Amino acid sequence: QSALTQPRSVSGSPGQSVTISCTGTSRDVGGYNYVSWYRQYPGKAPKLMIYDVTKRPSGVPDRFSGSKSGNTATLTISGLQAEDEADYYCNSYEGSNAYVFGTGTMVTVL
Amino acid sequence: QVQLQESGPGLVKPSGTLSLTCVVSGDSISSSYWWNWVRQPPGKGLEWIGEIYHRGDTNYNASLKSRVTISVDKSKNQFSLRLSSVTAADTAVYYCARILTGTTGFDNWGQGTLVTVSS
Repeated sequence: QSALTQPRSVSGSPGQSVTISCTGTSRDVGGYNYVSWYRQYPGKAPKLMIYDVTKRPSGVPDRFSGSKSGNTATLTISGLQAEDEADYYCNSYEGSNAYVFGTGTMVTVL
Repeated sequence: QVQLQESGPGLVKPSGTLSLTCVVSGDSISSSYWWNWVRQPPGKGLEWIGEIYHRGDTNYNASLKSRVTISVDKSKNQFSLRLSSVTAADTAVYYCARILTGTTGFDNWGQGTLVTVSS
């Protein structure tokens, strides 16, 4: 069970779009439409932003969107805002009733 | 509104057993959710530990399975984590969280509790 691979950091200016990739294998990301994304501020618990690859929980702005192609899932943040500066983690079901998280990405708003 | 709250000792000795409890309020632990434990070592990423359903069904991270036990107490609306033979590598913030049956996505989290393994 290896962690999913995410870029260490991404950055963008306010109003721009940024994308965060989450690369796994056919045994996890590529094998199921069960990818979720979390935002985490320092010292706080993670918050669910996207689930089942593309679905947004109630209350999450539509600036956040998810997609998947093959073994790579992507989180896109459009219209970047200062409050989006945080760590982001992906998660995937990996079969055998288990889950695996990504390595995490720090988003910086320039 | 559902709330999850972790509790337990903040310091555990090496080779000892880490024990934490997550109290669920605002929802029944017998509802259609899987109840999970996730941890995060200081400055590092998230790691899924395992989950339990109210009937007692459990699933564990294969890398921790030999040391982990998750149990549920429906009368107290809470579930618990036990991690045995701990080392400094088990020092982390431990979170409890829930997943709705039939979907994925940890939609509610506790605030987390730091457990330090040290003599």
